[in-house]
Amino acid sequence: KQEVTQIPAALSVPEGENLVLNCSFTDSAIYNLQWFRQDPGKGLTSLLLIQSSQREQTSGRLNASLDKSSGRSTLYIAASQPGDSATYLCAAEGNNQGGKLIFGQGTELSVKP
Amino acid sequence: ETGVTQTPRHLVMGMTNKKSLKCEQHLGHNAMYWYKQSAKKPLELMFVYNFKEQTENNSVPSRFSPECPNSSHLFLHLHTLQPEDSALYLCASSLRQQSTDTQYFGPGTRLTVL
Repeated sequence: KQEVTQIPAALSVPEGENLVLNCSFTDSAIYNLQWFRQDPGKGLTSLLLIQSSQREQTSGRLNASLDKSSGRSTLYIAASQPGDSATYLCAAEGNNQGGKLIFGQGTELSVKP
Repeated sequence: ETGVTQTPRHLVMGMTNKKSLKCEQHLGHNAMYWYKQSAKKPLELMFVYNFKEQTENNSVPSRFSPECPNSSHLFLHLHTLQPEDSALYLCASSLRQQSTDTQYFGPGTRLTVL
C-alpha cells in the first residue's frame, strides 16, 4: 500500500530565502507525482505534475524533481515571498490507478516579511 | 460562476441529523471526487464517479451516501454521523478519471458533528 510522507510538517523562513520541501513515497511504481498548494479555508490548487518518465518540472519560481528509485520528490521555491505562505501537499498516483491520488500530510509554510 | 463550488461552506450537525453536501462544477468535466481532510491526517479519497457511474468507494462507512445525478453535480448525504467524522470535505472534478487529467478542487465544506 502506497504511503506518502512529507517533511517537515511546518517551516518558517524569512522572505527571500530559497527553500526545499520534501516528499517521500514507499511504492516506486507511480504514474505521476503532483504538488498542490492549499490556502486556509480554500481548496487545493495544482502547482506541478511530474510524469514518472520525467525528472523535473518548472513553473516560475517553483521547481519540482522526482527520483523514483529513491522514492523521493522535492519542491524547490526560489526567492520566497509572503504570498507563498500556505500548506503544500504532494500526492502520488499509482500505475493503473487513474485519478486515485495518495496524499501526504503536507508542509505548512510561513514566509515572514 | 466558474470552477468547482461547494455548499454549504460550514455545517454543524448533531449525530441524529440528516444533511447533504453539494458540489457543482462548471468546467464540463465528467469525473467527480469526494475527499475527506481530517486534522493532522492526509487527505483521503472517499468516492469517485466517472460519467455518473461510481467507480471507487474507499471503504467508506454507509452513513456517508454519495449521489451523482449528472456530470455537473455531486452530493454527499450524511446521516447518523459520529464526532470523528468532523472534517473538511473537499470535492474535485477532472475531465475524465484518468491520470493525465488534472483535478480541480472546490473550497470544501467544514463539517462539525456534535
